Amino acid sequence: AQRVTQPEKLLSVFKGAPVELKCNYSYSGSPELFWYVQYSRQRLQLLLRHISRESIKGFTADLNKGETSFHLKKPFAQEEDSAMYYCALGGDKIIFGKGTRLHILP
Amino acid sequence: GAGVSQTPSNKVTEKGKYVELRCDPISGHTALYWYRQSLGQGPEFLIYFQGTGAADDSGLPNDRFFAVRPEGSVSTLKIQRTERGDSAVYLCASSAALNTEAFFGQGTRLTVV
Repeated sequence: AQRVTQPEKLLSVFKGAPVELKCNYSYSGSPELFWYVQYSRQRLQLLLRHISRESIKGFTADLNKGETSFHLKKPFAQEEDSAMYYCALGGDKIIFGKGTRLHILP
Repeated sequence: GAGVSQTPSNKVTEKGKYVELRCDPISGHTALYWYRQSLGQGPEFLIYFQGTGAADDSGLPNDRFFAVRPEGSVSTLKIQRTERGDSAVYLCASSAALNTEAFFGQGTRLTVV
């Protein structure tokens, strides 16, 4: 069975401080991991996926198969990063975690 | 180009009534997903189509829920005998293939009163 866990419902970080949003997964096959973001009053959209190994808006995420994690990181938070972030696992289908609300404090 | 379109954007219905929610995916996308999102929760998987066939309907909560995609494009999610607990935002997404980027619609907010 596929499962995604995001342990934090809310993460408050000061502007300029580092950000780390945690994601752990469970899947017996070869996983595809994604991070999706939802800004206020906008639809859910892809932020990044592990296979592309890109940095998007300063965010990166590394797939750690040993720890079954795909944490999202950014070295210096910006106010416009405030949003809901969802970790997603693709396998037999794409399933989502419950999400973490990131709140950047001025 | 046009993204994923869902209609209606809002639907209020009485308990016990039947509703249909429509999803127009991005042209050429073979994979189509339905999710349900309740307040404060992540998108909950309902059903996934590859072409015209339901590849995985394990997330449908019970037999009151049914979805079709007869021509491999537009999909309709059908809910019979609606209950107050069905109130949620219903999201549709499409992708070019399984496990590639999924593009989401704006959702249909269903309220059962």
